[in-house]
Amino acid sequence: TQLLEQSPQFLSIQEGENLTVYCNSSSVFSSLQWYRQEPGEGPVLLVTVVTGGEVKKLKRLTFQFGDARKDSSLHITAAQPGDTGLYLCAGAVGGTSYGKLTFGQGTILTVHP
Amino acid sequence: DAGVIQSPRHEVTEMGQEVTLRCKPISGHNSLFWYRQTMMRGLELLIYFNNNVPIDDSGMPEDRFSAKMPNASFSTLKIQPSEPRDSAVYFCASSLAGGGSQPQHFGDGTRLSIL
Repeated sequence: TQLLEQSPQFLSIQEGENLTVYCNSSSVFSSLQWYRQEPGEGPVLLVTVVTGGEVKKLKRLTFQFGDARKDSSLHITAAQPGDTGLYLCAGAVGGTSYGKLTFGQGTILTVHP
Repeated sequence: DAGVIQSPRHEVTEMGQEVTLRCKPISGHNSLFWYRQTMMRGLELLIYFNNNVPIDDSGMPEDRFSAKMPNASFSTLKIQPSEPRDSAVYFCASSLAGGGSQPQHFGDGTRLSIL
């Protein structure tokens, strides 16, 4: 069974602060995805990282895939109240997995104005 | 473009009743996933289908849970009989299977409360 551990589980910060969310596993993934979920809605894809060591930027969000493709991080610069939500990482194993993803437990981020 | 459509959005029923949740995946997607989300356990994969065929139902908690996908545009998740511990938000997601890098597209979920 492949597990993804996210940390921290909860993060409460002030507007303008920086933060990093971590996603770790002992298993290798062919790709890793980050989702954001708002109350009353389903998770929505933010980014997919595929290559070990890859870094992707989405405005104030920076995503990194570990060299060994076992871990990933999400860094938010100058957080804003609109960043509040549940952040989920999800790993794919490829092959004949039919698109199955293993999800982490999530990080609940609250950004206070 | 229409996303994944789930119904009902909310369901409140008494324990022992049958509950049926419905999902219409995105047209052209060939994999469909049913998840359950709670604060305690996070997002749990219950079952998934590829080309309408169930691939892995090891996440289905008990025999009270069953899922079907009679065609490419419709799937149901049924709980019979329902129990209070089944209360959760149930999500359906669809994707284009292959390579493992395809995103899953989620519906807005069904919030289920069993009294």
